[in-house]
Amino acid sequence: AQSVSQHNHHVILSEAASLELGCNYSYGGTVNLFWYVQYPGQHLQLLLKYFSGDPLVKGIKGFEAEFIKSKFSFNLRKPSVQWSDTAEYFCAVNHNNNDMRFGAGTRLTVKP
Amino acid sequence: EAGVAQSPRYKIIEKRQSVAFWCNPISGHATLYWYQQILGQGPKLLIQFQNNGVVDDSQLPKDRFSAERLKGVDSTLKIQPAKLEDSAVYLCASSSGGLAGAYYEQYFGPGTRLTVT
Repeated sequence: AQSVSQHNHHVILSEAASLELGCNYSYGGTVNLFWYVQYPGQHLQLLLKYFSGDPLVKGIKGFEAEFIKSKFSFNLRKPSVQWSDTAEYFCAVNHNNNDMRFGAGTRLTVKP
Repeated sequence: EAGVAQSPRYKIIEKRQSVAFWCNPISGHATLYWYQQILGQGPKLLIQFQNNGVVDDSQLPKDRFSAERLKGVDSTLKIQPAKLEDSAVYLCASSSGGLAGAYYEQYFGPGTRLTVT
């Protein structure tokens, strides 16, 4: 069965700092990769996704992620975080729209 | 467009009692998912429906959990009897399709927070 690992449990940054959240997955076949975000008191929402094509994908609010197949990784990046980016971030993977697996999540706190 | 609706938002029960959660997906969405999110963990897929058929229930504890989507629209998830370890947020999500080879975004509801005492 596939699994997803997020190595950072809680990240604390100051505004304008750069962000990189790690995500590794284990699955031998073709996968779709996602980052979801949950702002305080809100629903889970999609930040960005990789389905095929260019391994560098751009999402909402200036976030991007790079799929490195050889490393089974899909790290999330943002060059300059804002206080409003404070949220929980989840990496997820599925295969052919089935068997969605989420990582444990990374809580990001941005200090103003 | 109305989002995914769930009720109740909160529920507190004692162990060995039964509980049911309801989900109304986005209109027209064929695929419906139930997830369990235990505190400090990511969502775990319990069951996935395509219309009123089950696509995947491999992680559903079938001795106590059941789910149905009789008319291919609303769905209910039931726990009977509940255990302390069932305390979690139960999330419902829906998407417009589920065919292999294509991508359909999942839209999540607000969740039902269950506390079992």
